[in-house]
Amino acid sequence: AQKVTQAQTEISVVEKEDVTLDCVYETRDTTYYLFWYKQPPSGELVFLIRRNSFDEQNEISGRYSWNFQKSTSSFNFTITASQVVDSAVYFCALSEANRDDKIIFGKGTRLHILP
Amino acid sequence: DVKVTQSSRYLVKRTGEKVFLECVQDMDHENMFWYRQDPGLGLRLIYFSYDVKMKEKGDIPEGYSVSREKKERFSLILESASTNQTSMYLCASTLGVNTEAFFGQGTRLTVV
Repeated sequence: AQKVTQAQTEISVVEKEDVTLDCVYETRDTTYYLFWYKQPPSGELVFLIRRNSFDEQNEISGRYSWNFQKSTSSFNFTITASQVVDSAVYFCALSEANRDDKIIFGKGTRLHILP
Repeated sequence: DVKVTQSSRYLVKRTGEKVFLECVQDMDHENMFWYRQDPGLGLRLIYFSYDVKMKEKGDIPEGYSVSREKKERFSLILESASTNQTSMYLCASTLGVNTEAFFGQGTRLTVV
């Protein structure tokens, strides 16, 4: 069955610390896509990254990096040198290529960056 | 930039009312989605549509229906609103299969 688990409900770190948000997924398909979204206090979800199942290279974008490991079905997100503006709810999501284009979201991790 | 617009940011309705939530996207996207977001439950898919006049049930369709008469517009209908439908409703669209979703700003619905 299609499932996304974000075990960390809420995390608080002090500004400038590094923080990793965990995401574990379940799928029966060999071809699938993983996503991360950010939901700031304003409410609108913002797309951060999309990764297909055949590309296990880690991705870095500024202070953001993503570690995709098929062996552990994980797609973790790390923020380096966190800033107060990173405070948000972060969602991991999955869609399967052989299904009906549904996007299934995890329950989200609320991240607090303390000044 | 893709823009997904939801007709209302906040709504207050009475139990038993018929409620329409409207969503419009301006980038000719094929697929549109309605989610509800509740604390501790994340985003749950209510309905989605991959073409005009086509609809598919998501994980929690009970108590809801949808309408997609035009490609750019996807409406969520609460036939008879109940207090347990008080929630944040999010509309999203995608260009095609397995592409990233673009979201509207959300509608916070309160049913009293």
